[in-house]
Amino acid sequence: GIQVEQSPPDLILQEGANSTLRCNFSDSVNNLQWFHQNPWGQLINLFYIPSGTKQNGRLSATTVATERYSLLYISSSQTTDSGVYFCAVEYAGNTPLVFGKGTRLSVIA
Amino acid sequence: DSGVTQTPKHLITATGQRVTLRCSPRSGDLSVYWYQQSLDQGLQFLIQYYNGEERAKGNILERFSAQQFPDLHSELNLSSLELGDSALYFCASSGQGDGELFFGEGSRLTVL
Repeated sequence: GIQVEQSPPDLILQEGANSTLRCNFSDSVNNLQWFHQNPWGQLINLFYIPSGTKQNGRLSATTVATERYSLLYISSSQTTDSGVYFCAVEYAGNTPLVFGKGTRLSVIA
Repeated sequence: DSGVTQTPKHLITATGQRVTLRCSPRSGDLSVYWYQQSLDQGLQFLIQYYNGEERAKGNILERFSAQQFPDLHSELNLSSLELGDSALYFCASSGQGDGELFFGEGSRLTVL
């Protein structure tokens, strides 16, 4: 089955710093999404990005499908960015979304 | 607000009991998914329904069952509960377009 690997597993940042989170996947994907799970457990959609680049405020994401990875960039981090960031992919053929183990981000004031 | 509604938000029960979790998808979405998030297993896919029919099945225990009703809401039934069933249970829905999933706020189940 498809594997989803995220790195780093944990990240501690000073407020205002930038970071890059990586997601590697093992095969062609129909769908790739990035989520933020906040400290209250809510899963918030960040990007739907099976390919290309998107930006939303301080966050941006790039997926290079041919090389089987996606990157999530967080600039000028804030304490409210803390939580776990998940990458999830849907393998070509309409299999369900498979989640990576996440990157736990802690932003310190 | 994702538009996906889950109830209850919190539930505490005893081993051996049965509970029902409910999910209302976003307006117009035909697909409903259930995921389980426990501390040691991460987010695991349980089951998917599309317009009332089971579409895909993951690592769902035989003690668990689900269905999707004609009005498209879905219920996840968990029976003979064990301590290890304590987890956050998420429902998600997607439309007919690109397949982007939107998640509800989850139901946190604690089995004592």
